[in-house]
Amino acid sequence: KAGVTQTPRYLIKTRGQQVTLSCSPISGHRSVSWYQQTPGQGLQFLFEYFSETQRNKGNFPGRFSGRQFSNSRSEMNVSTLELGDSALYLCASSYPGDIRNEQFFGPGTRLTVL
Amino acid sequence: LAKTTQPISMDSYEGQEVNITCSHNNIATNDYITWYQQFPSQGPRFIIQGYKTKVTNEVASLFIPADRKSSTLSLPRVSLSDTAVYYCLVGDIRTGANNLFFGTGTRLTVIP
Repeated sequence: KAGVTQTPRYLIKTRGQQVTLSCSPISGHRSVSWYQQTPGQGLQFLFEYFSETQRNKGNFPGRFSGRQFSNSRSEMNVSTLELGDSALYLCASSYPGDIRNEQFFGPGTRLTVL
Repeated sequence: LAKTTQPISMDSYEGQEVNITCSHNNIATNDYITWYQQFPSQGPRFIIQGYKTKVTNEVASLFIPADRKSSTLSLPRVSLSDTAVYYCLVGDIRTGANNLFFGTGTRLTVIP
């Protein structure tokens, strides 16, 4: 079974631009979560989508948004990029019937904002 | 939602047992305790999960006292490949909240 895939793997943008990142979960997984990882703040939760609905949301500004499609694929969007948005963005999926709700992470998208 | 506190870093020699303790004083009745491991340039990987007492699998053990306000991840006979960051999370698995607060984790360095 294929793992979680994320595209693109690397991205360079300039301040003020916007960016869209994509995540394809493991087949059959209906929950997709997004995380931001930086050296200073560690791994921080952005939001989770389950069956096309946002189920949980972290403490990030409204510039960060996401959505999930009927095939469970998800996108996250960051508008008006700031230098501090440079980070590794990780996507994770889980199976709703998994008793422990284990998350499976993708390789991440490395975003650099210049 | 419960938050956790764990040491920022730990060092250990190869072959030793390593115990990483996590504090979660505000754990709720429906919360489970989950540990993840992360290697550089990779996403975290699930290690073990428990609710109370002791849980053991092929890679680790998880000890949870009766009051559940803390938990200890035990790694037997660590090797250099166990050098990684370890995260402790608590939350309700039914709502997905067991996967929300990773924080900065504990950076374990195994020394030859």
